[in-house]
Amino acid sequence: ELKVEQNPLFLSMQEGKNYTIYCNYSTTSDRLYWYRQDPGKSLESLFVLLSNGAVKQEGRLMASLDTKARLSTLHITAAVHDLSATYFCAVDRAGYALNFGKGTSLLVTP
Amino acid sequence: GAGVSQSPSNKVTEKGKDVELRCDPISGHTALYWYRQSLGQGLEFLIYFQGNSAPDKSGLPSDRFSAERTGGSVSTLTIQRTQQEDSAVYLCASSWTALTGELFFGEGSRLTVL
Repeated sequence: ELKVEQNPLFLSMQEGKNYTIYCNYSTTSDRLYWYRQDPGKSLESLFVLLSNGAVKQEGRLMASLDTKARLSTLHITAAVHDLSATYFCAVDRAGYALNFGKGTSLLVTP
Repeated sequence: GAGVSQSPSNKVTEKGKDVELRCDPISGHTALYWYRQSLGQGLEFLIYFQGNSAPDKSGLPSDRFSAERTGGSVSTLTIQRTQQEDSAVYLCASSWTALTGELFFGEGSRLTVL
């Protein structure tokens, strides 16, 4: 069974600081996705990582994928309040759907 | 439509009643998914449709749950004889094809069973 584990599950950080969210998964997969969810809202796709060594950046967020280590990271640079949300990683499940981690709830405080 | 549309957005029902949740995917998307989001549990895969067929319904929690899709478009998730543990947000997602992986989600139907 494909398991996807994120850590930390809760993260409170100050504006301007850097931090990394980790996503480990249990079986071989070359595709990994990051989503963002604001309270009461649906999930919004952030990054699609399709190969080993893939790196994508958007604003203050950067995601990377190491398929050999079965690890993806989401790095936050100089956090701002607008980044407060829950972040999910998801791994390709049998080529047609995704298995999600439990999510990391991020709160950025002044 | 412009995005995935789900209805109702909120549903409160009494234990033992049946409920139907509807999903209208993005036009042209052939793959459709139902997930369940419970507090602190992340997203739980329920069922996947390719066209009108459901090749994987392994995530449905019990035989009280069923889903169908008609015309390669709208899908309905039905929960019979609801229980309190069914309370959750039910999310629908669609994608162009199953192999693209990137899913587009609706805003969900929040179900509360009293």
